[in-house]
Amino acid sequence: SQQGEEDPQALSIQEGENATMNCSYKTSINNLQWYRQNSGRGLVHLILIRSNEREKHSGRLRVTLDTSKKSSSLLITASRAADTASYFCATPEQAGTALIFGKGTTLSVSS
Amino acid sequence: EAEVAQSPRYKITEKSQAVAFWCDPISGHATLYWYRQILGQGPELLVQFQDESVVDDSQLPKDRFSAERLKGVDSTLKIQPAELGDSAMYLCASTRTGGAGTEAFFGQGTRLTVV
Repeated sequence: SQQGEEDPQALSIQEGENATMNCSYKTSINNLQWYRQNSGRGLVHLILIRSNEREKHSGRLRVTLDTSKKSSSLLITASRAADTASYFCATPEQAGTALIFGKGTTLSVSS
Repeated sequence: EAEVAQSPRYKITEKSQAVAFWCDPISGHATLYWYRQILGQGPELLVQFQDESVVDDSQLPKDRFSAERLKGVDSTLKIQPAELGDSAMYLCASTRTGGAGTEAFFGQGTRLTVV
């Protein structure tokens, strides 16, 4: 079963614009992670935000977490063509530690 | 930089044949995961190992899938017999501990096509 649901499913923007992706989840969590996947490749960890954090930054990435709404957002500022990829949110499953992934947002950045 | 190694990268097999995938996690990583990713979907957990022990295989179709991690290091995932619906990307990931707040490192995956 999938815990998180990303929105939108697909996003197309121009280089230099900002990209915002949202993730909603169903049950309480102690952390939420975002991953990127280039076409046909494995996933790469981007950022982890804990349940007691509201916002976190890493380079051009900004992640927010609203536990009351069970939602998170990933903002990529000043997008580049190299940011073209699928982005997934993931949360640890309730009974264990394995990450449960959403269906992802496919981002396309054109130059 | 340490990486999770997977082989083969691509595999084409006929239905009803057996197929196996191999994963070597980052050295020292005690927890290993196998995920299956259907095109256009997110990865779905198949099995989780802690050292050589299976922690969670509730989503593993045990009538045809098997996984082992005999010495608590590398791991093999087998499908026998393969079915058309098994066509997917099979991803291996590892974490240093099994803690819920741990970043997972993924291999490049094995793209399986069953014909």
